[in-house]
Order: sequence, then C-alpha cells, then structure tokens
Amino acid sequence: GAVVSQHPSRVICKSGTSVKIECRSLDFQATTMFWYRQFPKKSLMLMATSNEGSKATYEQGVEKDKFLINHASLTLSTLTVTSAHPEDSSFYICSARRGGGYTFGSGTRLTVV
Amino acid sequence: QQQVKQSPQSLIVQKGGIPIINCAYENTAFDYFPWYQQFPGKGPALLIAIRPDVSEKKEGRFTISFNKSAKQFSLHIMDSQPGDSATYFCAATSYNQGGKLIFGQGTELSVKP
Repeated sequence: GAVVSQHPSRVICKSGTSVKIECRSLDFQATTMFWYRQFPKKSLMLMATSNEGSKATYEQGVEKDKFLINHASLTLSTLTVTSAHPEDSSFYICSARRGGGYTFGSGTRLTVV
Repeated sequence: QQQVKQSPQSLIVQKGGIPIINCAYENTAFDYFPWYQQFPGKGPALLIAIRPDVSEKKEGRFTISFNKSAKQFSLHIMDSQPGDSATYFCAATSYNQGGKLIFGQGTELSVKP
C-alpha cells in the first residue's frame, strides 16, 4: 500500500533556530500533500496544502513566513519551522492524497527549548 | 458548514463490547468519509472509509453506518479488544473543496480486559 515516510520522528531545537521536516511518498507520486499540527489530546488542525510545483495554500491564521512549505517534487514535501519558539512545540503530521485516499506520515514531535 | 462533530469524547468498554462513535456533518458536498485510528506518538492510520452512495460498509471488525438524510455516520467496532484502545477520528472531504480532510474532535477509546 501507499507509504508516506516522515522524518525526523523527534527533534529538539533551541529557540530562534529553524527546523526542517521532510515528508516523502515512497511508492507513489503525490501531487498534493497536506500538513497538520496536533496538540495533545486534540484533533488534527490543517495548516496548509501543497501542490507540486506551486506555492502552498495556507489555512487562515497560519503564518506563512514561520511555516515554510516546499513541494519541489512529486515525492517530497518539506515543512520548515523558522525562528522556532516554545509555542511552536507540537506534533506535526504530513499527509499525501492518492486516488481519493489519504495516507499519513508517522508524525514529528517538535520540542523547542 | 465545514465542521464535523464527533461524540463521545471518550469511551470505556469491556473486552468483547461494541463501542459506537458518532459523527455529524453539515456540508452536503462532502463525498468521502474515512475513519482513522491513532496511537500515541503516531500518525493516523486509515481504518475504513465510505462514500455517500452506500449506507453501510464492513471491513473485518469495523463497520461504518451512513445516514445521508440525517448527515450522520458512525463507527462500530465488533468484539473490541484491548489492542483497539486508541484515539479514533472521523473525517470528511469533498473534491470540490480541494480535497481537504476535515476532522472530528476525536474519541479516546479504552477497552478494558
């Protein structure tokens, strides 16, 4: 079945630094990928939708300059959290759409200290 | 119109019981209704999904019941096991809206041995 590989699974960074999270579709081409943020015991909140070769579409309230999304190829999308602060600590999850279904990555636990 | 309302927030059943989780939506343009299972620290995994042209779908111990006129759908887990203890999310989407998955609030299920 469709597999989405997300790395790293955990990352700790210092406040003010940037962190990049990668999401790869291993056995299919993902024209559309989605990035979610999840707080403890809460639902998934859609941050942005990225389409290969074009700019990402951000949901209302999501800072475009803080959460940079790049979808340069059909198998790779990246989320860069720039100038991270403790309030950016969260669980970030990517998802790829394929033939009407959606496959999720295993998530990245970001902790900003 | 974009919301998907899920209940209950938490659920405790004995092994062998049949937990039922309910979801309601408003947007009649939704045409794909998946259920996801999520374990702590992991990404959501697709359990089962249904389209509005059928009223019920069964896969193994998992059954979706769909009521188009009431705009409601539910997940039934037959013969529940302690290993089913997880958080369950319903979701809905419409291709006309860019295929963004709208998630319910989640249900934390605990199956007691």
